[in-house]
Amino acid sequence: GAVVSQHPSWVICKSGTSVKIECRSLDFQATTMFWYRQFPKQSLMLMATSNEGSKATYEQGVEKDKFLINHASLTLSTLTVTSAHPEDSSFYICSAHPSLGGQPQHFGDGTRLSIL
Amino acid sequence: SQQGEEDPQALSIQEGENATMNCSYKTSINNLQWYRQNSGRGLVHLILIRSNEREKHSGRLRVTLDTSKKSSSLLITASRAADTASYFCATAYLTGANSKLTFGKGITLSVRP
Repeated sequence: GAVVSQHPSWVICKSGTSVKIECRSLDFQATTMFWYRQFPKQSLMLMATSNEGSKATYEQGVEKDKFLINHASLTLSTLTVTSAHPEDSSFYICSAHPSLGGQPQHFGDGTRLSIL
Repeated sequence: SQQGEEDPQALSIQEGENATMNCSYKTSINNLQWYRQNSGRGLVHLILIRSNEREKHSGRLRVTLDTSKKSSSLLITASRAADTASYFCATAYLTGANSKLTFGKGITLSVRP
């Protein structure tokens, strides 16, 4: 089945560091990828929609300068948390929607980000 | 605000029993999907039901959709300990690659061996 690889799975870093998370669709092309944030025991909140070759669309309340998204190819989207602070600690999950219609989104395994 | 609301929030059953989880939503949808999440992992797609469908089966899973009541249910029959996970319903307003999903709060299912 369709596989989405997310890397890294876990990162711990100091406050002020920028962290890049990669989301790759391994066996299909995805013109659209989504980035979610999930707090413990809570639901997924959509942060932004990543569109290949164009600017990402951010949800209300999400700072675009804080969470930089790049979708340079049909198989890769990256989320960079810039100048991360402890409040940015969370579980970040990406999903990719196959370009062929009628298929559901496929999710990566998530990245647990801990900012000290 | 979140579209889907699942109930119960937590469910604990004995292995072999059936588990029924409900989801309600607020606005018109194109389709509703159920996902499963093991602790600390990503989501696994279970089943999708379109707005013009009323019931769908996949293995031990049965999903119903009542658009008049804006609700859906997920039934897992003959549950197994391995079914222990969080389950989320998600609604989509559109179809196609740009369709965003809005997730409910999730249901934590514990299946006791």
